[in-house]
Amino acid sequence: GQQVMQIPQYQHVQEGEDFTTYCNSSTTLSNIQWYKQRPGGHPVFLIQLVKSGEVKKQKRLTFQFGEAKKNSSLHITATQTTDVGTYFCAGIGSSNTGKLIFGQGTTLQVKP
Amino acid sequence: DAGITQSPRHKVTETGTPVTLRCHQTENHRYMYWYRQDPGHGLRLIHYSYGVKDTDKGEVSDGYSVSRSKTEDFLLTLESATSSQTSVYFCATGTGLHANTGELFFGEGSRLTVL
Repeated sequence: GQQVMQIPQYQHVQEGEDFTTYCNSSTTLSNIQWYKQRPGGHPVFLIQLVKSGEVKKQKRLTFQFGEAKKNSSLHITATQTTDVGTYFCAGIGSSNTGKLIFGQGTTLQVKP
Repeated sequence: DAGITQSPRHKVTETGTPVTLRCHQTENHRYMYWYRQDPGHGLRLIHYSYGVKDTDKGEVSDGYSVSRSKTEDFLLTLESATSSQTSVYFCATGTGLHANTGELFFGEGSRLTVL
């Protein structure tokens, strides 16, 4: 079945450093979403990418969807302590019965 | 955030006992989902509903059942809890099937411990 792999599982950075998490699917995706979960909280939607090669920015966050629509990345420039949390990608398979499959998540720790 | 409330928020139970988790939404969203979250596994879909009395299985449905008698309520039942069902359970709602038209809105989560 469809699998979505996310790396790295954990990342510790110094405040001000950049951070990137990568998401790879075993099958072509119709779209991909990104969610953020603060410690002790619930996942909150960040963005959805639909088009091949799409790039979207939200302030210091840059999201990319691969040309083949099988991978995606989230890059944070100049991390801040408020960026702490777990970032999940979630992809929908391109088949008609595709379900939203979540990656394992990348937990980001930021040292002040 | 969408108005999604889960109850109970925390529960400790013993192996073999039945457990029901409730999800209540005030957003009138058609689609509702139950996920479990475990370290190293992310969020895994247990069951989902695409309308009143319409439900289907997700990827980890064994040992779980669901019911949706009203648009606003989606119940998750563990008929006979096992230690492997110790987890954090999240309810989610959305306006499109499997989020194909937009985001999922998550509840605060229910932490279940099965001793």
